[in-house]
Amino acid sequence: GAVVSQHPSWVICKSGTSVKIECRSLDFQATTMFWYRQFPKQSLMLMATSNEGSKATYEQGVEKDKFLINHASLTLSTLTVTSAHPEDSSFYICSARDPRGKGNTEAFFGQGTRLTVV
Amino acid sequence: AQSVTQPDIHITVSEGASLELRCNYSYGATPYLFWYVQSPGQGLQLLLKYFSGDTLVQGIKGFEAEFKRSQSSFNLRKPSVHWSDAAEYFCAVGAYNQGGKLIFGQGTELSVKP
Repeated sequence: GAVVSQHPSWVICKSGTSVKIECRSLDFQATTMFWYRQFPKQSLMLMATSNEGSKATYEQGVEKDKFLINHASLTLSTLTVTSAHPEDSSFYICSARDPRGKGNTEAFFGQGTRLTVV
Repeated sequence: AQSVTQPDIHITVSEGASLELRCNYSYGATPYLFWYVQSPGQGLQLLLKYFSGDTLVQGIKGFEAEFKRSQSSFNLRKPSVHWSDAAEYFCAVGAYNQGGKLIFGQGTELSVKP
């Protein structure tokens, strides 16, 4: 299957600073990527849909000014957590839609980023 | 409303025993269904998926799932569980026109007794 790489795997930052997480599709071009958030012992919640060359679409309740998404190329989407606070500590996972997949629905997940804000 | 329900938060089975994890969905469009497994601190690994055709789907690691439209279910099964199967399992649903946007169930944590 297609490969999606997420970096970094884990990051610790001080409260008030910003953190950037990268999501790359390594062997296919992804016009659409998705960012999910997972709290401990909970499910994945979709935060936003990242579209190459256009603004991201955020889910209800997600602060777009706090979670900045940039999808500047067909293989890279970035999520920047701005002015991070301890409550932003979470596991962030991206997925990339493989346009070659059946039904326009095949998506592949990165390995996730564990963010800890201290 | 679109939703996925995994009724069992935690299941414990003995090694070698059979396993069934339940998943029910509510979805307005034709559903595309997935099962993922997640080890602690790790990303998601796709076990199997159903798009159309044969309603019994075979996946990796000896897992299978059966799509039952009348029951809006997509239960995951394995005839003989191995200790390495202990992990969190997520059922997810998407649709043809949603381009990979998935709704996940709450997850079922599987423990395996020796």
